[in-house]
Amino acid sequence: QVQLQESGPGLLKASETLSLTCTVSGGAISSYYWSWIRQPPGKGLEWIGHISYSGDTNSNPSLKSRVTISVDMSQNQFFLRLSSVTAADTAVYYCARVSSSWERRFDPWGQGALVTVSS
Amino acid sequence: DIQMTQSPSSLSASVGDRVTITCRPSRTIYTYLNWYQQQPGKAPKLLIYASSSLQSGVPSRFSGSGSGTDFTLTISSLQPEDFATYHCQQTYSTPYTFGQGTKLEIK
Repeated sequence: QVQLQESGPGLLKASETLSLTCTVSGGAISSYYWSWIRQPPGKGLEWIGHISYSGDTNSNPSLKSRVTISVDMSQNQFFLRLSSVTAADTAVYYCARVSSSWERRFDPWGQGALVTVSS
Repeated sequence: DIQMTQSPSSLSASVGDRVTITCRPSRTIYTYLNWYQQQPGKAPKLLIYASSSLQSGVPSRFSGSGSGTDFTLTISSLQPEDFATYHCQQTYSTPYTFGQGTKLEIK
């Protein structure tokens, strides 16, 4: 079965760039969308954006100017870069597979990576 | 953006109870509605997609219904492992948005 695992630095300073990798195992990265979602401590979920296997991207306008999502099909990985971070970007960051069919099922999810931004 | 409003925000119930959680988007999303369960410290898990379709492996005591601007998640008979936070999500238009969550606690 497909499994996802986030990796990357857990502590950043304000103004730095957050870089996370999601490694997909147990299945190919093709034929799906691949998404990033975050959850600040004690708060709800926020969709960051997604990328298709062909490289088409879509991201949340609230973050759009700071977000870059990319994919490396040869490594079965996709990536998130979020520039100019502030304390408000402190959150658990999840990656998830998204079905390419109309209902857009987010399943499965990675276990999550806590990223803390210090001022 | 489509705003998703869940109610209640928290709920106390007992094992064996029937529980209903409501999700109302700010405009119609037809049946583009997913439900997730999140245990403390864990990632969300997909329960229901397209408003009423049960994700593979999810117990049949979970069910979803609704269309347009009114959706419900029902748990027919609560089990101890069901005490968690539940999130709705619209996938009708980007940015995909989630409700604020409903925390289901043991009475």
